[in-house]
Amino acid sequence: EVQLVQSGGGLVQPGGSLRLSCAASGFTFRSYWMHWVRQAPGKGLVWVARIDIDGRDTSYADSVKGRFTISRDNAKNTLYLQMNSLRAEDTAVYYCARQNWNSNNWFDPWGQGTLVTVSS
Amino acid sequence: EIVLTQSPATLSLSPGDTATLSCRASQSVSSYLAWYQHIPGQAPRLLIYDASNRATGIPARFSGSGSGTDFTLTISSLEPEDFALYYCQQRFNAIAFGGGTKVEIK
Repeated sequence: EVQLVQSGGGLVQPGGSLRLSCAASGFTFRSYWMHWVRQAPGKGLVWVARIDIDGRDTSYADSVKGRFTISRDNAKNTLYLQMNSLRAEDTAVYYCARQNWNSNNWFDPWGQGTLVTVSS
Repeated sequence: EIVLTQSPATLSLSPGDTATLSCRASQSVSSYLAWYQHIPGQAPRLLIYDASNRATGIPARFSGSGSGTDFTLTISSLEPEDFALYYCQQRFNAIAFGGGTKVEIK
């Protein structure tokens, strides 16, 4: 079964750091681009970051550029999101998602989500 | 920046009804549009890609149409598990999602 299992969320103070993980199984992880998407409380989905198959090319939303870093370990089949200098407005459920070339590069599947709360 | 506007915000229907959801883009996205179903607490699920193609395993009661700026997701004969949130997404220019439509039980 193709699956993405997330971990690493929690409560962090403003200015703090957190690393999210997304463990992939059931497919050849190293062959797919991966993304992070977030959803703030009561709001819609917002794209956060993207990484290519070997991690050499990344892209970020302006709101997180310079503070968040997307990375991957293909040997461990795991995607990461390192979040630094966290702000209250970063509070959200974060989802990882595979860019699936079998469905013309749309997001499929998604992880179950992990909640990040930035508060003092 | 392309903005996607979904309407209505909430759709109140009964099982067996047909749901018609709209997604309008601020400029043409050609057919680079997808629809996702999201049940809170679960992973979002790809339903329709490239405006009208059903994703693997998606029941035939889900259909998509449109191109350019106006798109529609139709759910025929609503099942109890279809009451959820629905989002459209474009990737013609960067990546953006619509604000969502909630399909709730009337």
